[in-house]
Amino acid sequence: DTEVTQTPKHLVMGMTNKKSLKCEQHMGHRAMYWYKQKAKKPPELMFVYSYEKLSINESVPSRFSPECPNSSLLNLHLHALQPEDSALYLCASSQDRQVEGGYTFGSGTRLTVV
Amino acid sequence: SQKIEQNSEALNIQEGKTATLTCNYTNYSPAYLQWYRQDPGRGPVFLLLIRENEKEKRKERLKVTFDTTLKQSLFHITASQPADSATYLCALDVFYGNNRLAFGKGNQVVVIP
Repeated sequence: DTEVTQTPKHLVMGMTNKKSLKCEQHMGHRAMYWYKQKAKKPPELMFVYSYEKLSINESVPSRFSPECPNSSLLNLHLHALQPEDSALYLCASSQDRQVEGGYTFGSGTRLTVV
Repeated sequence: SQKIEQNSEALNIQEGKTATLTCNYTNYSPAYLQWYRQDPGRGPVFLLLIRENEKEKRKERLKVTFDTTLKQSLFHITASQPADSATYLCALDVFYGNNRLAFGKGNQVVVIP
């Protein structure tokens, strides 16, 4: 299995809702990432997990809460989001510190906050 | 401040020709540089990685060069095909050896049959 699977593919949520994005990989990668991408912009790093521990938080607002339940799963819990948080949320994984294979990205979750 | 710059204008190229894209960076000392392809509404797909001590890397019709003195990478698609039409992103590790990959804005390539 050489894929990163993200669910759901599309999500519409109100500003008072709580929802979660899910990401799964079975490549044995020990580093997992959340990126946010707005239209016509590059992906922006949000969080990095290394060996299931949060290693980087790029000053992301607390309404985004990551979780890594095990080495294959990564969640992003969403609460009280703003319309400007609407974006494509990308999950990625890689071999930790062995980067020859690059990062493997999922297809993303298209999030719309109304 | 740190910057990764790619040409914001789309590159329109005739099928069969070589497309060349540029990635310039400032205030970084990356250990490696990566190139990705992204199609609309999809996640980036890894293409090539080149390390700071490598001048050139090839994979099939793709070639990447890396000049750490000029702080520049060139990405070439030879014998371009309409299926190569996409946005191509360069990416650098922000801190040497750390898991912090930063992306350029990307450069769209349109291959005209």
